This record gives sequence, structure tokens and C-alpha cells, in this order.
Amino acid sequence: KNEVEQSPQNLTAQEGEFITINCSYSVGISALHWLQQHPGGGIVSLFMLSSGKKKHGRLIATINIQEKHSSLHITASHPRDSAVYICAVQETSGSRLTFGEGTQLTVNP
Amino acid sequence: DTEVTQTPKHLVMGMTNKKSLKCEQHMGHRAMYWYKQKAKKPPELMFVYSYEKLSINESVPSRFSPECPNSSLLNLHLHALQPEDSALYLCASSRYPGGYNEQFFGPGTRLTVL
Repeated sequence: KNEVEQSPQNLTAQEGEFITINCSYSVGISALHWLQQHPGGGIVSLFMLSSGKKKHGRLIATINIQEKHSSLHITASHPRDSAVYICAVQETSGSRLTFGEGTQLTVNP
Repeated sequence: DTEVTQTPKHLVMGMTNKKSLKCEQHMGHRAMYWYKQKAKKPPELMFVYSYEKLSINESVPSRFSPECPNSSLLNLHLHALQPEDSALYLCASSRYPGGYNEQFFGPGTRLTVL
């Protein structure tokens, strides 16, 4: 079992739909990261969380430390949101990130 | 300046070649990372430098040799690579290693080994 599990693996939505991507982890963490990667491209950090909720534009990230679960929400999705979204956790011990397998999001016009 | 730069963007090399990848940041970050990413997979950590010293080597083959000449620069020297080493190589940096520190990623170098 992976230490970081993401669901779904693939997600197709129509423009304007509300999207949720989930991340569960099994280790103690100091931070959880949501990352975005467009095809052939580098990785952009969307959020870093240790508790509660953060919002940036149409993106919202939440984390429940007790349940070891985080969600990334996209409101009013747009085709430019099409990308791979990766959940990664910073374990309390050490300096490495542990990555989930990623969620491929496709938003159709 | 809030970005991590990587050169070259693309590199094609033969198995007998020696080449180097370069990564640079001017954010004053004291931790720098090399990752390898294969298609449709998440990044895999290769090396971590903390305060210019190698702190993590994830059992990477010796044909990959990292170097941190100063706090802003990170190199990855490549020698006698195999075709299976073809991948996207990502560099990242963070203010400090570990803890509650955001990692900033570069755009990557797409490496093809013939």
C-alpha cells in the first residue's frame, strides 16, 4: 500500500463543473502539498497545508489531520485546468516528499 | 526572483557521452533537490543537498553525479547513461530542508539517451 493514495486516477469534466480530487496518507506529516503539472512541463506548487483550508482563486484545498485526508476542489472548471494534479506529503522525519500517483484531469469545453 | 531555472531544456546524448544538467535559484534557498520523472509517473527523488552538502542519495547509480558548487547552483553530471535513463529531470529548491517548506520546481530537462 502506498503511503499516499490519490483518487480518482483520471477525471473528465465539462467546463463549469465542480471538481474534487482526494488524497489520503498514512504517515505523520509536517505539510501536505498540492502540485499541478501540465503536459511536458514543470511542476507548479498550488498549496502547502498543515491544517484547515486554503483558497486561491477558483481552487480550494482542505486537510483533516485526524483523518489523514486532504481534498483539492476546483470551482467553475475551465479547459485550462486540464493537467495532472499531484498530492505530496512532507513527512515529519526527514526532508523528502512522498508523492501520490497523480490525477489526470481533463476539462472539456 | 522567485524561480528555479534549468538548462538545457532538452538533451539528447549517446551512451558514451558525458554531459551536465544545470539548475539555478536566487531565492536564498538552502535545500536543493534532483528528481527523475518517467512518463505518467510522479517524480522520484534522486538527491538532496542541504546547506551545500549532500544529505540524501536515494541509491542512485554512480553514472549520475551531483555537485553543488555554491548555494545557488546545482549540477547533475551524466556519464555512460543507459536508454532507460531517458526521463524528465526536475530540480527543486526550498528555503530549508524538510518541515513546513514549499518546494519550488524548475521546468525540467527532457533527457533522451540513445
